[in-house]
Amino acid sequence: DAKTTQPNSMESNEEEPVHLPCNHSTISGTDYIHWYRQLPSQGPEYVIHGLTSNVNNRMASLAIAEDRKSSTLILHRATLRDAAVYYCILILPGNTGKLIFGQGTTLQVKP
Amino acid sequence: NAGVTQTPKFQVLKTGQSMTLQCAQDMNHEYMSWYRQDPGMGLRLIHYSVGAGITDQGEVPNGYNVSRSTTEDFPLRLLSAAPSQTSVYFCASSRGVDTQYFGPGTRLTVL
Repeated sequence: DAKTTQPNSMESNEEEPVHLPCNHSTISGTDYIHWYRQLPSQGPEYVIHGLTSNVNNRMASLAIAEDRKSSTLILHRATLRDAAVYYCILILPGNTGKLIFGQGTTLQVKP
Repeated sequence: NAGVTQTPKFQVLKTGQSMTLQCAQDMNHEYMSWYRQDPGMGLRLIHYSVGAGITDQGEVPNGYNVSRSTTEDFPLRLLSAAPSQTSVYFCASSRGVDTQYFGPGTRLTVL
């Protein structure tokens, strides 16, 4: 399974944009890039996913490098509720249900 | 839809006892998984299933059994509880490479 590398922690100020990076240099051509986040004392929740093109939804944007070896989760205006651990995970079709979590990035949001 | 439900929310066992953690989903998802999360760590995959009657091992399967007799239910059995199995257990379900839905977790303490 391809691995991902994320910074252990990041800080942001409230209402400012946050860019969370993820490196996945061994990604295969069919791996989907998923982002999940885990709020304190809760189960992980889906944020966004993509394959090749950049993606937007109501929670965030996902920017995928042209060579797909890295991606960036963008929170456009961080709120205190966005303080969580963010996980970047690669999912191979056919291995769905077999998420391999890394350590993730702990995002701290300061008021 | 109730989504993914897990019971019980909390459980205390003595070493050597057995028990079953229940997981159910009402979204007709074919993929279901069990993860454990130790304090300060990311989630690790225990067992997963790609459909009724089909299960496979994840990263840390020892000491756990699963079966999938229906699409909706995916129980996790601890055969003989050990203190090393003290953890928070999450169940998840999905359809294809789309969103993975996680349950609220079961907090298990083994004395």
